[in-house]
Amino acid sequence: QMQLVQSGPEVRKPGTSVKVSCKASGAIFASTSVQWVRQARGQPLEWIGWIIVGGAKTSYAQQFQGRVTITRDMSTSTVYMEVTGLRSDDTAVYYCAAHSSGYYRASDYWGQGTLVTVSS
Amino acid sequence: DIQMTQSPSSLSASVGDSVTITCRASQTITGLLHWYQQSPGRAPKLIIYGASNLQSGVSSRFSGDGSGTEFTLKITSLQPEDFAAYYCQQTYTIPYTFGQGTRLEIK
Repeated sequence: QMQLVQSGPEVRKPGTSVKVSCKASGAIFASTSVQWVRQARGQPLEWIGWIIVGGAKTSYAQQFQGRVTITRDMSTSTVYMEVTGLRSDDTAVYYCAAHSSGYYRASDYWGQGTLVTVSS
Repeated sequence: DIQMTQSPSSLSASVGDSVTITCRASQTITGLLHWYQQSPGRAPKLIIYGASNLQSGVSSRFSGDGSGTEFTLKITSLQPEDFAAYYCQQTYTIPYTFGQGTRLEIK
């Protein structure tokens, strides 16, 4: 079993950055991977990237390459996602999600979501 | 990137009806296709993984089928709590793309 608890809502101005955290509890953290997904109001889910927690290997969707960085801190069982160069269209709810099956990689654990608002 | 196309984009049905949602991949994803349910204001919830495996704790009214490029999610005997948005996601290759969603509404 695992629980994911995300940091609170953020408001940023265009051009700045934001770092969202996702703290995990449970024994499987070190053996899982965590993906980040976002959803603008009324829009579908959009995959941002992921980190394989044990080896800290990351991958990102092309449109986020160079602007998003995912990291993890094993000592606190926390994964972070930083977005730089924020634009108004980055306004969305950001979710972290983890899986218990290394084969299927379907996310059976989700954070509660963090609303990031980008506005001047 | 693999494109995931869901149909229909929205669907109206009544309590007790059965519905089927389709998800097509732009190239083969073997059986690495998963379905999520999302109620308004809530995080997505995994309901089917690996195309046809029912997630623990999910009602047996949900079933999934398919392989390769075409997949279906069937919901029988619709209950009020089933009216939500449904998304498919492939985890065959990065980026792990989602479909655009199907909104299931009460008729």
